[in-house]
Amino acid sequence: DAKTTQPPSMDCAEGRAANLPCNHSTISGNEYVYWYRQIHSQGPQYIIHGLKNNETNEMASLIITEDRKSSTLILPHATLRDTAVYYCIVRVQNDYKLSFGAGTTVTVRA
Amino acid sequence: DSGVTQTPKHLITATGQRVTLRCSPRSGDLSVYWYQQSLDQGLQFLIQYYNGEERAKGNILERFSAQQFPDLHSELNLSSLELGDSALYFCASTPAPGRTDTQYFGPGTRLTVL
Repeated sequence: DAKTTQPPSMDCAEGRAANLPCNHSTISGNEYVYWYRQIHSQGPQYIIHGLKNNETNEMASLIITEDRKSSTLILPHATLRDTAVYYCIVRVQNDYKLSFGAGTTVTVRA
Repeated sequence: DSGVTQTPKHLITATGQRVTLRCSPRSGDLSVYWYQQSLDQGLQFLIQYYNGEERAKGNILERFSAQQFPDLHSELNLSSLELGDSALYFCASTPAPGRTDTQYFGPGTRLTVL
């Protein structure tokens, strides 16, 4: 699996955009970038995923650099309920497991 | 709500005992995945089943086993329990074992071994 590097923690002000970086410099051409989050010991929650192009859904936007060596998850208007551990995962072709690292603990402050 | 259900929510037992955790996948999903989350190891993949057959195996201990039944629910059996088996156990499901299928997770079972 391509390894990912995320900052261990970050703070964000409520109502502001939260930009979560992830480095995956060894990613292969057919590996996808997935983002999940886990709110206080609940089951991990899928957020978004992408291969090359930027993606947006109702939860977040995913920006992948042209060389695909890094990506940024953007939560456009963070709320207190977005406080969670965010995991950036690269998924190997034909490998069905998700390999979770330590993630980024995001704390949204009022 | 992901649509994946897990029972029980909490389980407290003693060392040496055996327990069974149950998972029901989302309606229509054929594949089930089990993960373990302990304080020191993080979230780790254990095993995957697709339509009743074992498909992939991770770092699952020999004391642990799983199966998927014809109605597609899955059970994870943990035996000869040790203190270190205390953890959160999650299952996830997908429609088919394609590499881009998104896994949706259940709420988990918290196992405490005393």
